[in-house]
Amino acid sequence: QVQLQESGPGLVKPSETLSLTCTVSRVSISSYYWSWIRQPPGKGLEWIGYIYYSGSANYNPSLKSRVTISLDTSKSQISLKLSSVTAADTAVYYCARSDSGLGNFDYWGQGTLVTVSS
Amino acid sequence: DIQMTQSPSSLSASVGDRVIITCRTRQSISTYLNWYQQKPGKAPKLLIYGASSLQSGVPSRFSGSGSGTDFTLTISSLQPEDFATYYCQQSYSTPNTFGQGTKLEI
Repeated sequence: QVQLQESGPGLVKPSETLSLTCTVSRVSISSYYWSWIRQPPGKGLEWIGYIYYSGSANYNPSLKSRVTISLDTSKSQISLKLSSVTAADTAVYYCARSDSGLGNFDYWGQGTLVTVSS
Repeated sequence: DIQMTQSPSSLSASVGDRVIITCRTRQSISTYLNWYQQKPGKAPKLLIYGASSLQSGVPSRFSGSGSGTDFTLTISSLQPEDFATYYCQQSYSTPNTFGQGTKLEI
């Protein structure tokens, strides 16, 4: 069974950079697209962006100026960096797998809550 | 961005009921529509992809239909474990977008 596990600080100060890692196990990171999706408390889902195993990435235009998604194939890890955070970036952050850049998300991590507060 | 509009936003139903949730878009997305179930504190779970294909392991009481701009998720006979929030998602064009969710309550 494919497993995705998000990790990173649960508290980030305003204006700083949020950094999260998703570790993938029981499946090769190759040949899939790996997305970050977030969900503010009590609200809906927002796709942040994806990276393909080749290294090509695509971001939501609403966040593009602040987002970087990268890949470490040797560690089977996908990283998310979101700069200049504000309280509006407080959310549960999920990593998820799809088999295309425009596809369905068939495996998800359990999610990690990141709170932006001083 | 393609906006997804789900209705209703919330729904009260009973075990054994047949429930229909609707998702609409302003532009055609063919059948690039997926449905997810999310329970409190858990990640979303893929139920239906390509508008009508049942994800492996999902009970057959779940079904999806539609194409173009109008889609439905039907639960034929509600079970206690089905009370959750349901989201539609379009995979027709980037950025991927989700509906606002439909909370299904007892």
